[in-house]
Amino acid sequence: DAKTTQPPSMDCAEGRAANLPCNHSTISGNEYVYWYRQIHSQGPQYIIHGLKNNETNEMASLIITEDRKSSTLILPHATLRDTAVYYCIVRAGTRWREKLTFGTGTRLTIIP
Amino acid sequence: EPEVTQTPSHQVTQMGQEVILRCVPISNHLYFYWYRQILGQKVEFLVSFYNNEISEKSEIFDDQFSVERPDGSNFTLKIRSTKLEDSAMYFCASSEGASGVGEQFFGPGTRLTVL
Repeated sequence: DAKTTQPPSMDCAEGRAANLPCNHSTISGNEYVYWYRQIHSQGPQYIIHGLKNNETNEMASLIITEDRKSSTLILPHATLRDTAVYYCIVRAGTRWREKLTFGTGTRLTIIP
Repeated sequence: EPEVTQTPSHQVTQMGQEVILRCVPISNHLYFYWYRQILGQKVEFLVSFYNNEISEKSEIFDDQFSVERPDGSNFTLKIRSTKLEDSAMYFCASSEGASGVGEQFFGPGTRLTVL
């Protein structure tokens, strides 16, 4: 799986959009980008995933650059409950049954 | 909404004792996983399980660990002789296995404290 790089921490004001970047410059053609988050020692929670098109669901939007070397997770209207560690994970589509490999992620703090 | 459940939420044990951590995956899921997270560290994969056998295991998952799906609903992790370094949060996860998305649903975790 391709390696990912994320900033260790970010702050965002409550009500604003939180934009979390992820660099995956060695991603290959069959690898998906997944985002999970972990709220204070709870189990990780799936947020969204994508291959090359931008994706949106009820939780977030995922913007993947045209060259697929980086992506941004967007939480459109951040609330205090979005304070968590966010993990960007790259994994081949053919390996969807396999383990998730978590890095250190980005610790997002929503400021009131 | 269906969810993965884990019991107990907190287990305290003496070093050398056996512990069994229990999980009830989401009912139509076919793939099951255990992960652990030592305080302040990354979430680490332990083992995956499909069709009543281990699919993959990490270096952490040595002979002291075992997994079992004793019936149609439970999925257990056993540590035969606990060590101090086994103290961690243990997370169970399950995946539907049909859609190819690979979305894993995690339980709330069991905090294991070995004294």
